[in-house]
Amino acid sequence: DTEVTQTPKHLVMGMTNKKSLKCEQHMGHRAMYWYKQKAKKPPELMFVYSYEKLSINESVPSRFSPECPNSSLLNLHLHALQPEDSALYLCASSQEHGAYEQYFGPGTRLTVT
Amino acid sequence: GNSVTQMEGPVTLSEEAFLTINCTYTATGYPSLFWYVQYPGEGLQLLLKATKADDKGSNKGFEATYRKETTSFHLEKGSVQVSDSAVYFCALRPLGGKLIFGQGTELSVKP
Repeated sequence: DTEVTQTPKHLVMGMTNKKSLKCEQHMGHRAMYWYKQKAKKPPELMFVYSYEKLSINESVPSRFSPECPNSSLLNLHLHALQPEDSALYLCASSQEHGAYEQYFGPGTRLTVT
Repeated sequence: GNSVTQMEGPVTLSEEAFLTINCTYTATGYPSLFWYVQYPGEGLQLLLKATKADDKGSNKGFEATYRKETTSFHLEKGSVQVSDSAVYFCALRPLGGKLIFGQGTELSVKP
């Protein structure tokens, strides 16, 4: 089983809202990732968690706040977003960070109004 | 630095045509190489991988060979189907490093 699940599939939020994206994997992977993808572009790395600790933050604005409650779950908390933050947000996992292939979830399509 | 260059799309083919999507890379050391596919409205799926020189990755009729002498990892399929229409991303990962994507190549297969 190489499944990464993400909820919700679609999300529309206003600029003053607070919302969260959720990601789950049950492959025993110890590294989890958040990516942002704009239309017809490759994914851009946002955050990396390794063994439940934040190991990489790619200078992401503080209105995006990641959280890793346990080794299977990854959240992305959203607050005071801008319309330009509208994108597909992808979660991925791998056995270890920096080694092995990454498996991606289906993504959350976020629209900020 | 590390980078991936893919042929620009969109690529339009008729069903049963031969497919080649070119991918070349620049990297220090010996990176792992990947092809991911993204169908419309979906996330990325790992299509195939190769972890060392001369390795051939294959899946669902797609193949790619890790060529260190030409720093290439071209994707091929002998006979494409309409269902292969998608965006294809070539990617590399240096050992201990981040996944680095090419710009993606959009493939459209017409019946």
